[in-house]
Amino acid sequence: RKEVEQDPGPFNVPEGATVAFNCTYSNSASQSFFWYRQDCRKEPKLLMSVYSSGNEDGRFTAQLNRASQYISLLIRDSKLSDSATYLCVVNLPGGGADGLTFGKGTHLIIQP
Amino acid sequence: EPEVTQTPSHQVTQMGQEVILRCVPISNHLYFYWYRQILGQKVEFLVSFYNNEISEKSEIFDDQFSVERPDGSNFTLKIRSTKLEDSAMYFCASSEALGQGFSPLHFGNGTRLTVT
Repeated sequence: RKEVEQDPGPFNVPEGATVAFNCTYSNSASQSFFWYRQDCRKEPKLLMSVYSSGNEDGRFTAQLNRASQYISLLIRDSKLSDSATYLCVVNLPGGGADGLTFGKGTHLIIQP
Repeated sequence: EPEVTQTPSHQVTQMGQEVILRCVPISNHLYFYWYRQILGQKVEFLVSFYNNEISEKSEIFDDQFSVERPDGSNFTLKIRSTKLEDSAMYFCASSEALGQGFSPLHFGNGTRLTVT
């Protein structure tokens, strides 16, 4: 099983729609979870940390499901500017990288 | 908002040459990292640095690579003898604490390295 796995997409979504995608992780001891956003040929930018109880930041909601070992990101009322690749980042204790491992990303395209 | 800065933004070099990529982390951060991203692939960890020494390194970070914090602000990545497969975007990052905690990484805008 891959350490941090994401559906690469692309997800083609009309503007204003709600879209959600998941990320699964392999290590049940993982404690830190983040969603990053990466625009084409740019650096990853922190979108939000993911807390055990779930958290919301404006139109974005992140959830953690420890039992099934996945995190999710929900985007409501999607905007054209939300088009990007969304990277799941998880700490994998004992997995090297001081624990932080990136998924390959989910490519999201918001269409007018 | 404080940010991580990297120079140069683009570096073209010939195979076998040495390159030094430079980074200025966020001033109150204590942990520094180098990641790379080959075009179309995922972000890969290279090395982490804390308290003036390497904390952890990946299999990619072989003897051709080295890091240094020559003064109180700069953090450099040196590739001694570049290969074609070293062509990638190199990202520097810093954080207040190790990734095991709830301290996210803050990335610089990257140096695109092209080896010809």
